[in-house]
Amino acid sequence: GAVVSQHPSRVICKSGTSVKIECRSLDFQATTMFWYRQFPKQSLMLMATSNEGSKATYEQGVEKDKFLINHASLTLSTLTVTSAHPEDSSFYICSASGQGRSLSNQPQHFGDGTRLSIL
Amino acid sequence: SQQGEEDPQALSIQEGENATMNCSYKTSINNLQWYRQNSGRGLVHLILIRSNEREKHSGRLRVTLDTSKKSSSLLITASRAADTASYFCATVLIVGRRALTFGSGTRLQVQP
Repeated sequence: GAVVSQHPSRVICKSGTSVKIECRSLDFQATTMFWYRQFPKQSLMLMATSNEGSKATYEQGVEKDKFLINHASLTLSTLTVTSAHPEDSSFYICSASGQGRSLSNQPQHFGDGTRLSIL
Repeated sequence: SQQGEEDPQALSIQEGENATMNCSYKTSINNLQWYRQNSGRGLVHLILIRSNEREKHSGRLRVTLDTSKKSSSLLITASRAADTASYFCATVLIVGRRALTFGSGTRLQVQP
């Protein structure tokens, strides 16, 4: 089945550091990727939709200058948390859906997530 | 914002018993999907049911959808300890973004 690889799985760093998270579709082309954030024992909240070759669409309340998204190829999207602070500590998960006319009727394929801890 | 709510929030059962989780949503949907998440991991897709379908089966999983009540249920039969996880319903809207909107989730604990 379709595989999405997310890297790194865990990051611990000091406040003020910028952190880049990669999301790769390994065996399919992903025209659209999604970035979610999940706090402990809570559900996933969509942060942004990443479209290959165009600007990401951010959800209300998500700072685009804080969370930089780049989707430069059909197999890679990156999320960079700039100047991270302790309140940015969370579990970040990406998902990808492939090409096709019925995108809405396809399941999404999720990475294993990145646990970000800012000291 | 979350599309819907799930209940119960937490469920603890014995191995061999059935587990039923319910999901309600607010707006018209294209389809509804169920996902499973083991602690600290990503999500695994379980089953997708379209808005014109009422019931779907996959192995020990049975999903129902009632669009008039805007609700869905996931039944896991003959549960196993390995079924212990969080289960989320997620909807894709008819109009608007294609991203999934997740319910609040049910934490299932299956005691061996």
